[in-house]
Amino acid sequence: SQQGEEDPQALSIQEGENATMNCSYKTSINNLQWYRQNSGRGLVHLILIRSNEREKHSGRLRVTLDTSKKSSSLLITASRAADTASYFCATVLTDSWGKLQFGAGTQVVVTP
Amino acid sequence: NAGVTQTPKFQVLKTGQSMTLQCAQDMNHEYMSWYRQDPGMGLRLIHYSVGAGITDQGEVPNGYNVSRSTTEDFPLRLLSAAPSQTSVYFCASSLTSGSGIGGELFFGEGSRLTVL
Repeated sequence: SQQGEEDPQALSIQEGENATMNCSYKTSINNLQWYRQNSGRGLVHLILIRSNEREKHSGRLRVTLDTSKKSSSLLITASRAADTASYFCATVLTDSWGKLQFGAGTQVVVTP
Repeated sequence: NAGVTQTPKFQVLKTGQSMTLQCAQDMNHEYMSWYRQDPGMGLRLIHYSVGAGITDQGEVPNGYNVSRSTTEDFPLRLLSAAPSQTSVYFCASSLTSGSGIGGELFFGEGSRLTVL
């Protein structure tokens, strides 16, 4: 079974709007990472947040982590058509550092 | 600096055939891994390696074999292809921290395999 699960599965928004997606996981983690995948391409790393961190920013991206609820969120502000992609959360477990486990992803479509 | 390079990009096999997917990285990363991506299931870890001569199984290792003779290369072998192995395969590498992943994964562009 998957460690991380994203919600929603799909999201459609207009340019300029904010996009928020959530990730829930099941067991204790060392860190949580978010990746983007454009259609037909490999995954690209966006942000890594460690278990002792609560919030991180990178440009228009904001990630939060709540270890008590075993959940994380990714916020993309002022969305652009180029943000159209699938977004995945992935976790490194505290007892399994060799494995980065991915969720099924959120498909985001940003229309001009 | 090429990053992670996968070959071939596309491959069609018949059931029972064997083949090797190649993966090479030029970033001197100790950690390398193989994932498969199927619709609606995200990425699932097949095998990984934390350094030359060291490999371990992921979530879905059956039907696949790996070896790590150099830091740069991490080939994935399909021993006897089955239709259930039709998928997109991604190789990824990272720095290590101890015996695991030290940070972000760098991905190749994928190898699209169809088994008839």
